[in-house]
Amino acid sequence: SQQGEEDPQALSIQEGENATMNCSYKTSINNLQWYRQNSGRGLVHLILIRSNEREKHSGRLRVTLDTSKKSSSLLITASRAADTASYFCARGSNDYKLSFGAGTTVTVRA
Amino acid sequence: NAGVTQTPKFQVLKTGQSMTLQCAQDMNHNSMYWYRQDPGMGLRLIYYSASEGTTDKGEVPNGYNVSRLNKREFSLRLESAAPSQTSVYFCASSTEVGEQFFGPGTRLTVL
Repeated sequence: SQQGEEDPQALSIQEGENATMNCSYKTSINNLQWYRQNSGRGLVHLILIRSNEREKHSGRLRVTLDTSKKSSSLLITASRAADTASYFCARGSNDYKLSFGAGTTVTVRA
Repeated sequence: NAGVTQTPKFQVLKTGQSMTLQCAQDMNHNSMYWYRQDPGMGLRLIYYSASEGTTDKGEVPNGYNVSRLNKREFSLRLESAAPSQTSVYFCASSTEVGEQFFGPGTRLTVL
């Protein structure tokens, strides 16, 4: 079963705008990770936030984690055409396994 | 460093045929994984190997077998392919922290 569910399923924004997507999960986590997948490619790791962290930044990416609500969000600021991709959240457990959601497809229009 | 490599990139099989998907990583990671990705879905774990010499079932192991040949290599075998196994297969390895690095995938079609 998929333990990370992204919302929305699809998002279309103008270049320069911010993109926000959310992830909810059902069971306890060791960490929450976000990955990007360009069409026809493998997934690329973006950021990992541990269960005892609330916010993390990496370049134009900002991730928040609210363990009380079992949710996380990924914000991409000042989007570019190259940000067009699918984004997946993944729940990390203590045994190094990940459970992926179905993903959010982001389209950045020029 | 090549990272995670997979062969082949594409494969077409007939129902009942067998094949082995190869995966290798050069990052000295202990843990390796096999996933499948179907349209509109995230990745589902087939098998994983926490370390050389160990393998465990994931979420969807039926119809598959794996071999952790050494620390670098982790293969996935389909003994008797079925149309339901048409999918894109990804191999990954992970750091001690749990960040996973993925190969480019194998697109498999079973007719």
